[in-house]
Amino acid sequence: GQQVMQIPQYQHVQEGEDFTTYCNSSTTLSNIQWYKQRPGGHPVFLIQLVKSGEVKKQKRLTFQFGEAKKNSSLHITATQTTDVGTYFCADNQAGTALIFGKGTTLSVSS
Amino acid sequence: GAVVSQHPSWVICKSGTSVKIECRSLDFQATTMFWYRQFPKQSLMLMATSNEGSKATYEQGVEKDKFLINHASLTLSTLTVTSAHPEDSSFYICSARGDSSGNTIYFGEGSWLTVV
Repeated sequence: GQQVMQIPQYQHVQEGEDFTTYCNSSTTLSNIQWYKQRPGGHPVFLIQLVKSGEVKKQKRLTFQFGEAKKNSSLHITATQTTDVGTYFCADNQAGTALIFGKGTTLSVSS
Repeated sequence: GAVVSQHPSWVICKSGTSVKIECRSLDFQATTMFWYRQFPKQSLMLMATSNEGSKATYEQGVEKDKFLINHASLTLSTLTVTSAHPEDSSFYICSARGDSSGNTIYFGEGSWLTVV
């Protein structure tokens, strides 16, 4: 079945450093969604990317969708301690369940 | 916006007993809901797709007799963990597609199950 790979699995940064997580699929992704899950919490929707090559920004977060719609990335500029959590990408194919990547857990030290 | 409510948020049960988790769509009708399980430090793994008025579709490796899913109405799906064992302790979370296009997905708050 389809798999969505996500790297790295863990990332530790100093506060103020940048952070990037990458999501890849061997098959074409329909729409890609990104979620953030804080420790002990449930996944919270961040954004959905639909178009090939699409780039969206949310304050310090930049989301990209690859030209071939087989990869996506989330970049955080100047991380803060509030950015701590696990970031998941998920392939959103209409009518079916989301297929999640394994997630990247970000820790930030001040 | 659409809301999916999940209950209970936390449950502790004794080994061998059964536990029911409810997932409700509060302001929209959900013909399809999805149940996920998440073990500590792992990703969300799809367990089954719950279809209103018909049998659920289970993912490979998920025991349908152990994880009973009932989707009797357009706003309620239930997951019952039967004869629970400590290895069933996990975070269970449901989701539903919230509009006619099917592109918007809403998650419940999740349920933490601990079997002792």
